[in-house]
Amino acid sequence: DAMVIQNPRYQVTQFGKPVTLSCSQTLNHNVMYWYQQKSSQAPKLLFHYYDKDFNNEADTPDNFQSRRPNTSFCFLDIRSPGLGDAAMYLCATSRASPRNTEAFFGQGTRLTVV
Amino acid sequence: GDSVTQMEGPVTLSEEAFLTINCTYTATGYPSLFWYVQYPGEGLQLLLKATKADDKGSNKGFEATYRKETTSFHLEKGSVQVSDSAVYFCALRTNNAGNMLTFGGGTRLMVKP
Repeated sequence: DAMVIQNPRYQVTQFGKPVTLSCSQTLNHNVMYWYQQKSSQAPKLLFHYYDKDFNNEADTPDNFQSRRPNTSFCFLDIRSPGLGDAAMYLCATSRASPRNTEAFFGQGTRLTVV
Repeated sequence: GDSVTQMEGPVTLSEEAFLTINCTYTATGYPSLFWYVQYPGEGLQLLLKATKADDKGSNKGFEATYRKETTSFHLEKGSVQVSDSAVYFCALRTNNAGNMLTFGGGTRLMVKP
């Protein structure tokens, strides 16, 4: 059974039109992450939630926002997508500790900007 | 800061060949080490992990041993299959930096029949 579910798998949006990607989890993990991945490069962490505490990476553009209304759901909002934002977006979850626990990833949402 | 270095790909092998993908790390803490695999168009899946020195992680015929003395966690498989074609990511996690995963750059493996 899928434990981290991302919807949709594929999203096409227009240049400058706000778009929201969603992620849900059944693992009851307290940490949720959003990564951006381009062309099979290493995933780049955008931000993460530790419970309700939001942690933004220093180089994440202001264009990217996130919401976590409850433990199970987390959303990535791109306010004004540019062509450079076309990428695979990966959601992941983990327990905060111990450090030997792995992160569980969803299947990703591939975003195309036209 | 923490970092992970992987051999650059692509690595192209014939079916049943022996695979090694090198991974070395730098960490200020005492990390746990992971290999993730990403099949085309999919998210990342945990392949194996090791949490302390000399631990060997194994899964689906893949193995990697946590070598603290050489700060390495090389991935090996004795006989690869076409279905192993994917991108492999080495990663570490410590108690520093908010417990974040640090990824290597990924190595693409292509196995030909």
